[in-house]
Amino acid sequence: EAQVTQNPRYLITVTGKKLTVTCSQNMNHEYMSWYRQDPGLGLRQIYYSMNVEVTDKGDVPEGYKVSRKEKRNFPLILESPSPNQTSLYFCASSPFINTEAFFGQGTRLTVV
Amino acid sequence: GIQVEQSPPDLILQEGANSTLRCNFSDSVNNLQWFHQNPWGQLINLFYIPSGTKQNGRLSATTVATERYSLLYISSSQTTDSGVYFCAVDHTGTASKLTFGTGTRLQVTL
Repeated sequence: EAQVTQNPRYLITVTGKKLTVTCSQNMNHEYMSWYRQDPGLGLRQIYYSMNVEVTDKGDVPEGYKVSRKEKRNFPLILESPSPNQTSLYFCASSPFINTEAFFGQGTRLTVV
Repeated sequence: GIQVEQSPPDLILQEGANSTLRCNFSDSVNNLQWFHQNPWGQLINLFYIPSGTKQNGRLSATTVATERYSLLYISSSQTTDSGVYFCAVDHTGTASKLTFGTGTRLQVTL
């Protein structure tokens, strides 16, 4: 089944403890991106990747890192999480630029 | 940046009723999608529709790109249709970034 898979689905962590949210797609898509969703602010793009080893900042990149070493994987790294990074995170992939995007199930992160 | 406005913000329907959700955008777009966010938070793809009309069961969508709006029609609504409906557009042409509207929260009651 074609899908975008995020892990974990739920995570509660403490301030400053490094964490990684994984994202994997099995559709051989070139484009992948990360969004966060916050009440009143909607969904905003954090980072995106146009292909292996090619990444760029979205609208809200501060406090996040990404890497794209393989085409199928695009992990989101929080080196030192803070409470303002408590949010619902989505990974998305699409075949090429300006094509349909497919979203993962979401990761609900709480930083205390 | 591009503005994406959705209306109405909230909608309560009785099961079996029909509804129309609207999405207006302020600039030309390369991509337009409709999503349903269910009560568990998952984003479900409904339509990829940068222009024209598509139908999928009880749902259909129309995008008039030249007039910068899109409509989502829900017919014979069911309680499982409840949730938030988002319109999202990409107008950058370079980054494949979706800009989401503020959503329409739909509640379907028995």
